[in-house]
Amino acid sequence: GQSLEQPSEVTAVEGAIVQINCTYQTSGFYGLSWYQQHDGGAPTFLSYNALDGLEETGRFSSFLSRSDSYGYLLLQELQMKDSASYFCAVNRNSGNTPLVFGKGTRLSVIA
Amino acid sequence: DGGITQSPKYLFRKEGQNVTLSCEQNLNHDAMYWYRQDPGQGLRLIYYSQIVNDFQKGDIAEGYSVSREKKESFPLTVTSAQKNPTAFYLCASSDENIQYFGAGTRLSVL
Repeated sequence: GQSLEQPSEVTAVEGAIVQINCTYQTSGFYGLSWYQQHDGGAPTFLSYNALDGLEETGRFSSFLSRSDSYGYLLLQELQMKDSASYFCAVNRNSGNTPLVFGKGTRLSVIA
Repeated sequence: DGGITQSPKYLFRKEGQNVTLSCEQNLNHDAMYWYRQDPGQGLRLIYYSQIVNDFQKGDIAEGYSVSREKKESFPLTVTSAQKNPTAFYLCASSDENIQYFGAGTRLSVL
C-alpha cells in the first residue's frame, strides 16, 4: 500500500519558523511535492524535490532524504496568511502521473 | 488567464440521481485528474487521463465515471451507485511534476 505520515496539526507564532515533517512508504518514488490549501480553496503547488537536499523558494524551503524516506517543509518568518493545510505528496513516476497525498497538516499561526 | 474551471461550485444530489461535475482547462495540458477530499483528509484519486480518449481508474473509482473526448474537458459523473458522495471534488491538470487545481465542487446529498 501507499502511506504518507505527517502531523495533523501544528501551531506556531507569527514571525517564527516551523517545520512540517513527512515520511512516506510507497511502491515507486520519483519525487516529493508540497501543496498548500486554504480552507475551502484549491491546493496550490509550493515545492518539489527529486534529489536529496534542500530546495529554497523565498520563505519556504523543502528537504528530501531518499534513503530515509523522509522530507520536510520549512516555513520561515511566519505570517498570519500562512495559516492553511499543507500536504506532502509523492510522485511515483516521472512526468504526468497521479500524486499520492498525505492527510495534511493544519498550520495555525498565532499572534 | 489560463487555468482550471470547475462548475458548479455547489451541487446537490437526490437519491438515485446521477450528477455530472464539469472540469475545463485552457493550459494545453495532456494529463487531467479527479480527486475526492473528505473533511480533514488528504486527496484520493478517482480517475485520471493522460491523453484524449484514454483514462485510468484511481484508488476509489467505484460509483464514478469519466470521459475524455476533448483535451480541454474531463467531466466526472457521480452515479447512483456511489452511496456516500458527499465530499469536495477537485479536478487538476499537470505539467510534468506540478499539478494545477480547480476551485472545486462541493457535492451534498439531499
